[in-house]
Order: sequence, then C-alpha cells, then structure tokens
Amino acid sequence: QSALTQPASVSGSPGQSITISCTGTSSDVGGYNYVSWYQQHPGKAPKLMISDVSNRPSGVSIRFSGSKSGNTASLTISGLQAEDEADYSCSSYTSNRTVIFGGGTKLTVL
Amino acid sequence: EVQLLESGGGLVQPGGSLRLSCAASGITFSSYAMTWIRQAPGEGLQWVSTIGGSGGSTYYADSVKGRFTVSRDNSKNTLYLQMNSLRAEDTAVYYCARTLRGVTGWFDPWGQGTLVTVSS
Repeated sequence: QSALTQPASVSGSPGQSITISCTGTSSDVGGYNYVSWYQQHPGKAPKLMISDVSNRPSGVSIRFSGSKSGNTASLTISGLQAEDEADYSCSSYTSNRTVIFGGGTKLTVL
Repeated sequence: EVQLLESGGGLVQPGGSLRLSCAASGITFSSYAMTWIRQAPGEGLQWVSTIGGSGGSTYYADSVKGRFTVSRDNSKNTLYLQMNSLRAEDTAVYYCARTLRGVTGWFDPWGQGTLVTVSS
C-alpha cells in the first residue's frame, strides 16, 4: 500500500498560517476518523500533535488544528513561530487493519 | 512521566537476525498496546507492527510479515521485535511508541529510537 500523499515542503513567515494536506483513499483517510499528525525536529523522535482528525492532546499549542474532507486530512498551524519549523507526518488506520503514514512535509519558517 | 528506551540495534549482514527491545517506565505497561515504527535514512515514517496490551493481538505491515515477530513481557515492562531474514531495505531507525486504542489509535509518546543497519 502506497504512503499517504503529503506535499514535500511548505513555508510561511512568522505570524502567518499554513496548511499541510494528507491525501489518501476511501480505504484509509476517507473511511475512518482515525487520522493523526506528528511533528519531528531533526534528530528527534516524533511528537503527537493531533489525534482522531482534530483532537489536540494536552500540552499542544492551540495554534495547531486538524480537519478532514473526503479523502484529504489537513493540519493547520496558525501564528507561525520559528519553533514550528520541523517535519510533519500524518497517519491513518486502514481497512486492512494496518496503519499508513504520509511521506512527510518539511515546514520552513522564513 | 512515560519513558520508552529502545535498545538492540546495530550492524547486521543481509539474511541475519536481530532482536530489538523497548523498556517502558512511568506507565501501567499491560494496559496499553505498543507499536514499532521505523524511519529509513532521509525517508518518512513507516508503521511496522502493533501488539495489544495482553499480547493476544498482533498486526504487521506486509513488508515484514513472516520475517518479524512482535512480543511483550508485561512482567518486565518490555516490548520486543524479533527481526529475521533482514534485508538492506530494513535499514532504519526503529522507534517504539505507546499506542492508544490499539491499531486504530495514535502513538504517544515515542522512544528515541535505535538504528538498525543491514549491510555486508
């Protein structure tokens, strides 16, 4: 099964908002509200940012939000800060009772 | 505070075997599913395997099915990944992660990872 499709890179200036998309199929993203998002700084372990499409765990900034429409999930970061520069990956449960990740998106804060 | 510490990585020849361990602390280990996720150098994350809290349910990616075996020892708060018939494409950093709501859920937190290199 191919990875979920994410843009390779996005960028934005401090204070701006950006959105990262994560496109799958009706067998994964579109079929379940089981999409998560992870942030990964270079050389570090990934960190959970969003679960179940739009749930933000305790401790994660309210600037991070998630949504889904059809087969595409999205992560929006508002009020960009320098510390948000990192790689972001989505994941989804699939109808094969497995988990699939996106290829990852590198966020650059200009 | 939940802490996960992977160990057991290293250099192994193609066709060889390796066993990874993930020691957990700060949680009631048996209450949670656990997952192995890997990341090849410069690549994205790839789910490898999930095991239920009791060890009775296991799930594998097609790419490792039949070669890798996930297990756990709840008395030792430790998760394992036995990797056999290793291939060059298995080269990656392997992370363990606490898994909420089993294979349908999310991974939080993650360990720091252990590097596996398959090369002759």
